[in-house]
Amino acid sequence: LAKTTQPISMDSYEGQEVNITCSHNNIATNDYITWYQQFPSQGPRFIIQGYKTKVTNEVASLFIPADRKSSTLSLPRVSLSDTAVYYCLVGLSGGYNKLIFGAGTRLAVHP
Amino acid sequence: SAVISQKPSRDICQRGTSLTIQCQVDSQVTMMFWYRQQPGQSLTLIATANQGSEATYESGFVIDKFPISRPNLTFSTLTVSNMSPEDSSIYLCSAWEQGAGFYGYTFGSGTRLTVV
Repeated sequence: LAKTTQPISMDSYEGQEVNITCSHNNIATNDYITWYQQFPSQGPRFIIQGYKTKVTNEVASLFIPADRKSSTLSLPRVSLSDTAVYYCLVGLSGGYNKLIFGAGTRLAVHP
Repeated sequence: SAVISQKPSRDICQRGTSLTIQCQVDSQVTMMFWYRQQPGQSLTLIATANQGSEATYESGFVIDKFPISRPNLTFSTLTVSNMSPEDSSIYLCSAWEQGAGFYGYTFGSGTRLTVV
């Protein structure tokens, strides 16, 4: 299972774009990159998933360079409600694998 | 994606007792997982619950302490046995899903356990 490294915490202000980068140097050929969001007193919630290049949905964008050794979650125009912990996970390989969570990035959005 | 319900959402228990946490999924899923999350910490995988076979436990977790049942494809239970204050934590159930354009996991809201 590929290990991931991401910043422990980040601060931002309402209306700004936030980019959280995750490094995963040992990513396997068939691994997907998945990001989860967790609010206090709730379970993690799926945000976005990608394999290469760029993926965009109604919540976020995920940028993955050609070497796939890192990925960047982009949250456009954050609001106070985006304050949460964001986890980057790698290793689905097209089928289930047990998820091993890293420390995550604690994002604080300020007014 | 699937919807997962966990019961109870929270409980306060006496040390030495046991608590069984229930996890109900609104669709059939092959794999279910149980996690523990200490306050302010990341999630730690306890075990994988397989339907029709014994659960597979991660290092540091044993069946006598955390027995798991998986009677069918929509339900699982985790029991925290002979509890001590160190077992105070949030326990989360998760299910693996594979659908159109989606490979991933869905989580329940968790059970906040306090042992006194």
